[in-house]
Amino acid sequence: KAGVTQTPRYLIKTRGQQVTLSCSPISGHRSVSWYQQTPGQGLQFLFEYFSETQRNKGNFPGRFSGRQFSNSRSEMNVSTLELGDSALYLCASSLDTGPGNTIYFGEGSWLTVV
Amino acid sequence: AQSVTQLGSHVSVSEGALVLLRCNYSSSVPPYLFWYVQYPNQGLQLLLKYTSAATLVKGINGFEAEFKKSETSFHLTKPSAHMSDAAEYFCAVRGGSGGYQKVTFGTGTKLQVIP
Repeated sequence: KAGVTQTPRYLIKTRGQQVTLSCSPISGHRSVSWYQQTPGQGLQFLFEYFSETQRNKGNFPGRFSGRQFSNSRSEMNVSTLELGDSALYLCASSLDTGPGNTIYFGEGSWLTVV
Repeated sequence: AQSVTQLGSHVSVSEGALVLLRCNYSSSVPPYLFWYVQYPNQGLQLLLKYTSAATLVKGINGFEAEFKKSETSFHLTKPSAHMSDAAEYFCAVRGGSGGYQKVTFGTGTKLQVIP
């Protein structure tokens, strides 16, 4: 069974540009969540989607957005990139939003903003 | 509201020694608790989870954790450290009430294993 797949794995962008990251969840999983990981801030929750609807949102500016498609695949977008957006962006999936469900992580997308 | 506190951002142990990584949680509802491990340049992998079935939870790679409600703790232990255990470990909590509760992660503990 394939795990959570994230693309691209590595990318470099310039300040002011925008970026779209993609995530394919484990087959059958309907919940997808996104996290930002940096050395200074650790793991921070961005948002969670279930059935194409955003169910939870972290404390990030509106430049960070996401969506989920009918096949549960998800994308997140960051507009007007800033140097501080350089991070590892992790996508995770679970069967649904039940609190005891295991969340499975992808290997992440490394974003460098220059 | 929920939160997780991991005591010690860095822990060093000798190979073969006991590993103890500390995690204390705060949750206004019965919590679900998780330990994840992250190896360099990889995503997070679940080690074990507590879902109220048993207070002592056994996970992969010889790790286990004990849920202690009175101490609001969920410390991770392994009797004998192996070089391959060197990684960063994250404790996480998710409230068990209805609705859509996000997962809150601790700040992580980097485990160094000294040969």
